[in-house]
Amino acid sequence: GENVEQHPSTLSVQEGDSAVIKCTYSDSASNYFPWYKQELGKGPQLIIDIRSNVGEKKDQRIAVTLNKTAKHFSLHITETQPEDSAVYFCAASIPPRSGGYNKLIFGAGTRLAVHP
Amino acid sequence: DAGITQSPRYKITETGRQVTLMCHQTWSHSYMFWYRQDLGHGLRLIYYSAAADITDKGEVPDGYVVSRSKTENFPLTLESATRSQTSVYFCASSDTGSNTEAFFGQGTRLTVV
Repeated sequence: GENVEQHPSTLSVQEGDSAVIKCTYSDSASNYFPWYKQELGKGPQLIIDIRSNVGEKKDQRIAVTLNKTAKHFSLHITETQPEDSAVYFCAASIPPRSGGYNKLIFGAGTRLAVHP
Repeated sequence: DAGITQSPRYKITETGRQVTLMCHQTWSHSYMFWYRQDLGHGLRLIYYSAAADITDKGEVPDGYVVSRSKTENFPLTLESATRSQTSVYFCASSDTGSNTEAFFGQGTRLTVV
């Protein structure tokens, strides 16, 4: 069925180090892959996204890579800062089988802690 | 205020009671979504709506009912609450569907006792 797996579930790094979160998806028809950041007590917020016609996208300290053949995509955060501490979710947009609309399926989340 | 708002923020209800969670957005976005967030499961889609009067099931729709008579509102009703429906519920909206940015509300923490 439709599935997005995310690893690791928790990640602890020192300030200034890099952090990498990986996701795999099951439906080869998926064509949109956003990453959301959720701070404590708030709703998730989009930080970066990538579409299936692109292999890599970068926005300042954040980058996302997509390998369509292997059906996996990753979030890279460089020069981490304490304010990067949050829960990060990957997601994949699943096209409908017949009629209907695209659905966004989320991974289980990664709790990132950046220690000063 | 512009944005997407959920109410109530916190709710405690008893097993078997009907409860409705409200969601209101001011952007006139066509798409609206309801997710539940549980530890170890991330965000799971309950129902979504592509426009007023158009709704469809997500991953975990059982025990929930939605309606969308107006573009800006998308209430979620638990017809007979169960303890397994204790969760944090998030409403979201987007302009053109699941292939674009979704804007999330602050969430409603529901406890069923």
